[in-house]
Order: sequence, then structure tokens, then C-alpha cells
Amino acid sequence: DTGVSQDPRHKITKRGQNVTFRCDPISEHNRLYWYRQTLGQGPEFLTYFQNEAQLEKSRLLSDRFSAERPKGSFSTLEIQRTEQGDSAMYLCASSLGGGATEAFFGQGTRLTVV
Amino acid sequence: SQKIEQNSEALNIQEGKTATLTCNYTNYSPAYLQWYRQDPGRGPVFLLLIRENEKEKRKERLKVTFDTTLKQSLFHITASQPADSATYLCALGGSGNTGKLIFGQGTTLQVKP
Repeated sequence: DTGVSQDPRHKITKRGQNVTFRCDPISEHNRLYWYRQTLGQGPEFLTYFQNEAQLEKSRLLSDRFSAERPKGSFSTLEIQRTEQGDSAMYLCASSLGGGATEAFFGQGTRLTVV
Repeated sequence: SQKIEQNSEALNIQEGKTATLTCNYTNYSPAYLQWYRQDPGRGPVFLLLIRENEKEKRKERLKVTFDTTLKQSLFHITASQPADSATYLCALGGSGNTGKLIFGQGTTLQVKP
């Protein structure tokens, strides 16, 4: 499968714990995006990378959130000291270039904070 | 602030009919607009992209229009099938090269046999 891969698919954690998600984009794609989606809503932009450089972060991305894309390949999104409000689907997408290009989404990681 | 509104109510139609979904936006001048399909528990899947200087795009049974004066896009599925049942998301992209998308909340379409 050469699509965008996310791991894990589901994560249940206790409030206050740290969690890390991984995204493997389509190999030749230089752009990688993270979005968050809550029930009944559309995805909300969190951050994006061009190769290994993180070029923009949303105000939604509090200090507890950090994302990396070492060597411009896979990316990780870490949430420290999780809160119940962090419960959501975290989606990763990749594209070849920016602008008006098709984004390929992964299946997402469903986070539940109890 | 930027606002995107899609049909908030679910759309129920009979198989074979044309489904029309609406996307309205305010306080934004998108350079392009995309439509995605999302099935429960899955990530969105790209369907169509239309640029601000284009009025209409077609792909098989799908048609999208883009009216920058009305600030509206219409998404049509002709000869609808039960397999078309899903949530459809409208997403706007800006004139910069970020590729960042602003999504509407989605419209759920149910096609009944």
C-alpha cells in the first residue's frame, strides 16, 4: 500500500499522559499536514511541513503539542499532559507541492482521553 | 473570521436522482476549492478541485460549480447510488503556496435504494 499510513489507529490514554502519533506520507510527497477532526465537524488545520521544515502552526496547536518531521520523511505529533478536550481524530495528509494540489489523507488516529 | 457553511441537515435522496450539496463561505477569497468524501472512521478522499477562475468542473457523475460572486460552490452527483452514501466535505485553499485547507463541517448524504 503506497498511501498515507498512520499509527496507531486508536489510542486510549489517561488524562495527563503523553501520547505520540506517527504518520508516513507518500514517499515522494514533500508536503505533510496535520489536521484534527472532532465529531460532526470538518478537519481543522494544525500544522504543516515542507520537507523537514515546519512552516506554519495553527493557534490550535498549544504548547503541549509538538510535531517533527526529521529528514523530511515520516512525521510525529506529540501531545503532552493530555486533556479530555484533546479527544479527536488526528489526520495526516501529504501532497506533492503546495497550492492547488490534491491532498492524500491517512486513516487517522482516534484519540480518547479518559 | 472565515466561515464555511455546508448543508447542516443530512440529505436523503432516492437512488437514481441527482444530489446537490451546497458550500457557502464568508470573509474569505479562496484561490481554489476542493471537495472530499469521507466514510465513517476513515480519512477524507479527494474528489474534485476547482480554481477561482473556473466556473464548472466535471468528473464522471460528479460536477462542481464555483461562483466567487455568490461565494458559493455546488456539488452535484448525478444518477446517485447507495454506494455514494457518505459525508462530503468542502475545503477552501488560499492564494499562498501553503496547501493549507479550511474545511466546512460536511454534509451527510444518504442514498436510498
